[in-house]
Amino acid sequence: AAGVIQSPRHLIKEKRETATLKCYPIPRHDTVYWYQQGPGQDPQFLISFYEKMQSDKGSIPDRFSAQQFSDYHSELNMSSLELGDSALYFCASSLLGQDNYGYTFGSGTRLTVV
Amino acid sequence: QKEVEQNSGPLSVPEGAIASLNCTYSDRGSQSFFWYRQYSGKSPELIMSIYSNGDKEDGRFTAQLNKASQYVSLLIRDSQPSDSATYLCAVNRDQAGTALIFGKGTTLSVSS
Repeated sequence: AAGVIQSPRHLIKEKRETATLKCYPIPRHDTVYWYQQGPGQDPQFLISFYEKMQSDKGSIPDRFSAQQFSDYHSELNMSSLELGDSALYFCASSLLGQDNYGYTFGSGTRLTVV
Repeated sequence: QKEVEQNSGPLSVPEGAIASLNCTYSDRGSQSFFWYRQYSGKSPELIMSIYSNGDKEDGRFTAQLNKASQYVSLLIRDSQPSDSATYLCAVNRDQAGTALIFGKGTTLSVSS
């Protein structure tokens, strides 16, 4: 079965650079969620989109922005990167109305800021 | 106070024993509850969901929910070394498009 696809798998950036992470949800899933997980930490919710509109917002820094496109894929744009942004970034998708079945997570993008 | 609380562990059990993982949550409006398993460096994997008070069994896993006490637990019977991972409790307010809120996770170590 198709899963949530994230790219790239690994990314190394320097401080103050920008990064773009991509997420392709499971086909027919209409909701995408972005999470950030630092070393030894729980996943922290950043932002979510339903039908290309922002549906919920968590602890996303102002330096970050995201959007969902017409094909339902989503991109997380991160600017002025800081060392503390180094983390695993997970995308998850679900089908509205079936959220109570849980989300399916992608394999994540490991971002390292040097 | 964090919305979802778990003991970080590590919880160590011998192979074949029952592992008991606990979670409390603060939002009484929470409706859906999940347990995810996460291996180091990997993404969370859904193993159980529960919505009603009581027990829900799936193979070696049993989830228990008590909404009055705002408590949810996961029992793993016949624990195997492959069960060694971090177990994340997650809660959903069931509003459209709102996100799962995770606890910090409990690290389980099953020794052979």
